[in-house]
Amino acid sequence: GNSVTQMEGPVTLSEEAFLTINCTYTATGYPSLFWYVQYPGEGLQLLLKATKADDKGSNKGFEATYRKETTSFHLEKGSVQVSDSAVYFCALTVNTGNQFYFGTGTSLTVIP
Amino acid sequence: SQTIHQWPATLVQPVGSPLSLECTVEGTSNPNLYWYRQAAGRGLQLLFYSVGIGQISSEVPQNLSASRPQDRQFILSSKKLLLSDSGFYLCAWSEWTGRNSPLHFGNGTRLTVT
Repeated sequence: GNSVTQMEGPVTLSEEAFLTINCTYTATGYPSLFWYVQYPGEGLQLLLKATKADDKGSNKGFEATYRKETTSFHLEKGSVQVSDSAVYFCALTVNTGNQFYFGTGTSLTVIP
Repeated sequence: SQTIHQWPATLVQPVGSPLSLECTVEGTSNPNLYWYRQAAGRGLQLLFYSVGIGQISSEVPQNLSASRPQDRQFILSSKKLLLSDSGFYLCAWSEWTGRNSPLHFGNGTRLTVT
């Protein structure tokens, strides 16, 4: 089947620390992979995406590389800011793209 | 550019009352449309999705229903709300063109059933 597994949170980091949020997946077919960010009280916003193996998605200093051999799509940022405090969701879709599969979300808090 | 509108932003309803949440998408044609629910501190639960007018797929049994009366309009309804229906409801859309298209979410409706 199709599923996404994210590292459990919450994650608390100091400002300017390095961030990694792990995401692994299982998929029937060739998935596209996404990271979404949700700020308090808001909907989810697409952060970045990758549609084929070895693609690197990037946006706002965040990066994630589509690793087919390890079925992973880990989110990284070199230096987090307080404004990065949010919940991050890893997701995939396959084949026709009608259905999306989300991880359970990882809450990140960045302290000054 | 495409935009998604979802309303109301917040809603407080008594148990047993009806519900209607509306979502519209602009700037695209024949989108896939979705309703998700997010309980407090929890992940996303897919409730319904639609690939066309009048075509609704239900993912979980519940007292909610969805309808798509027009190409870019998606409505979530209930005849009688339960306390367990409280949560954050998110409408979303994606292009019909296949797996490379991401989901785009509305700003959500915070529903509190009292």
